[in-house]
Amino acid sequence: ILNVEQSPQSLHVQEGDSTNFTCSFPSSNFYALHWYRWETAKSPEALFVMTLNGDEKKKGRISATLNTKEGYSYLYIKGSQPEDSATYLCALQQSGNQFYFGTGTSLTVIP
Amino acid sequence: DAMVIQNPRYQVTQFGKPVTLSCSQTLNHNVMYWYQQKSSQAPKLLFHYYDKDFNNEADTPDNFQSRRPNTSFCFLDIRSPGLGDAAMYLCATSGPRTGSSNQPQHFGDGTRLSIL
Repeated sequence: ILNVEQSPQSLHVQEGDSTNFTCSFPSSNFYALHWYRWETAKSPEALFVMTLNGDEKKKGRISATLNTKEGYSYLYIKGSQPEDSATYLCALQQSGNQFYFGTGTSLTVIP
Repeated sequence: DAMVIQNPRYQVTQFGKPVTLSCSQTLNHNVMYWYQQKSSQAPKLLFHYYDKDFNNEADTPDNFQSRRPNTSFCFLDIRSPGLGDAAMYLCATSGPRTGSSNQPQHFGDGTRLSIL
């Protein structure tokens, strides 16, 4: 069984605060690391696909970094807004089309 | 808009009564996936198709089967559902037909399966 771990499990922040959470994964057989946002009653939405060690990607107020040697990725949200409330999932892609998801970090942004 | 559509959104079946969940896509993606997510757990990959090539995960129960009659449709068949099979079932697609394999996945809204 391959473990992809996300922390914290849940998080409550005030509107305007910046926040970050972690995805840890085994570094062997690494192919790509994916981040998804999953809002209640909707489908998971792709945020980033990261492949290179040291990669940093940004989409508006959300950014992510990747360290494949030590096996972790951080997701940052700057100036959280209520519409950022969702579960954030990371998924390790090993060679081919094998994906291993974490259990997600549930973010609630309090207005 | 191009999308991944799962039907139905909610499905109730009886213990042991076969059930089929469906997924269709208008993205023309060559890879289609089925995931099972139980409450508070990570989505777990059951199997995927790369075009017509079927790839079963080693720990997917034999009770779970899949069919992909064409590029657009993929079905999940549960032959004899048990109480432990109650879960959210997510379908996803990835890749343009000639694209590289580290493309993001596009998910449907899921089917929540309940077993009576």
